Amino acid sequence: EVQLVESGGGLVQPGRSLRLSCAASGFNFDDYAMHWVRQAPGKGLEWVSGISWNSGRIGYADSVKGRFTIYRDNAKKSLYLQMNSLRAEDMALYYCAKDRVFELWYIFDYWGQGTLVTVSS
Amino acid sequence: EIVLTQSPGTLSLSPGERATLSCRASQSVSSSYLAWYQQRPGQAPRLLIYGASSRATGIPDRFSGSGSGTDFTLTISRLEPEDFAVYYCQQYGGSPPVSFGPGTKVDFK
Repeated sequence: EVQLVESGGGLVQPGRSLRLSCAASGFNFDDYAMHWVRQAPGKGLEWVSGISWNSGRIGYADSVKGRFTIYRDNAKKSLYLQMNSLRAEDMALYYCAKDRVFELWYIFDYWGQGTLVTVSS
Repeated sequence: EIVLTQSPGTLSLSPGERATLSCRASQSVSSSYLAWYQQRPGQAPRLLIYGASSRATGIPDRFSGSGSGTDFTLTISRLEPEDFAVYYCQQYGGSPPVSFGPGTKVDFK
């Protein structure tokens, strides 16, 4: 059974940093691209960032480019999102999502339950 | 930039009825790179359809997708109680590489 478990969310002041983690199990992690997708409270879905199976291709939404960094550790079956210079508009539930293929195809076939990031002073 | 709009915003139906949800793109979606997701309250989204009409693993056949170009449809042939949820369409492969529609809520009449 595919499982994605996010962690690392919490309350952070504007301008500060936070690192999210996603632990994967139940599939060959290093065979698939992975993504972060977020959802602000009561709002819709927004893709944040994605990374191919071997980290050779990485993409970011314009809203986070230059502030967020995605990376993965295939040996640890883990995905990460380093978030710097956080803003109020970054407040959301952050989901880790698995792609259907090894490259960035942006079809999210499995999702974690999310970790909540609250940005407030 | 491809912008997706979904209609209606809310669809009020009863169990057993047919639901027809629309997703319209501001530009043609290449190769029908369109997906549909279901999100039940308090849960993560779940992939239903990709490639406009291919059902994801484990999705019941009462869910079907159709369309091409700029107009796409998700049809639920007979609503089950667990189908009352929010449905999002998503394009991939365009510019930006991925974007979601605002969602259609299917609720009880």
